Amino acid sequence: GAVVSQHPSWVICKSGTSVKIECRSLDFQATTMFWYRQFPKQSLMLMATSNEGSKATYEQGVEKDKFLINHASLTLSTLTVTSAHPEDSSFYICAVTGPYGYTFGSGTRLTVV
Amino acid sequence: GDSVTQMEGPVTLSEEAFLTINCTYTATGYPSLFWYVQYPGEGLQLLLKATKADDKGSNKGFEATYRKETTSFHLEKGSVQVSDSAVYFCALSLRQAGTALIFGKGTTLSVSS
Repeated sequence: GAVVSQHPSWVICKSGTSVKIECRSLDFQATTMFWYRQFPKQSLMLMATSNEGSKATYEQGVEKDKFLINHASLTLSTLTVTSAHPEDSSFYICAVTGPYGYTFGSGTRLTVV
Repeated sequence: GDSVTQMEGPVTLSEEAFLTINCTYTATGYPSLFWYVQYPGEGLQLLLKATKADDKGSNKGFEATYRKETTSFHLEKGSVQVSDSAVYFCALSLRQAGTALIFGKGTTLSVSS
């Protein structure tokens, strides 16, 4: 099946700093990637759909200037949390859709202190 | 809009007990249906899926049947193990290419020996 690598698996940062999360499709070209956010003991909420070579499509209520998504190649999408605050602390998961269906990254635990 | 509703958890069972986690959906058209499992601190793993009415998905002793008449996709296992303790998510995807998965809120299963 497909292999998706997400990095880092966890990160702690200070309020006001920015954090970049990478999502790589290792064995196939992914024209579409998805970013989800998961609060403790809650479901996955779709944040945005990332399309290679074009601007991401954000879900209602998601601040595009705060959560910057770049999908510059067919194998890499990045999510940058800008000027992070404690309320941004969460579990972020990427997913790709390809020949094997949907494949998820292992997630990134972000803690903003 | 399209949505997935799962039974509220947590579900607490003894080893070898029978498991049912209810899932119903609302969708335009004919979605594909999925069950994902998330172990503590990890990303999501596909457990099983069904792509059309009356299909039965099965894996690792888990089963779910796509019931169009009741718009349901209930997850069952005849004899749970301690290692099945995890969070289970029901999800759907619309058939258009590049659409994201829509998740239910998740059900936490705790199995004791």
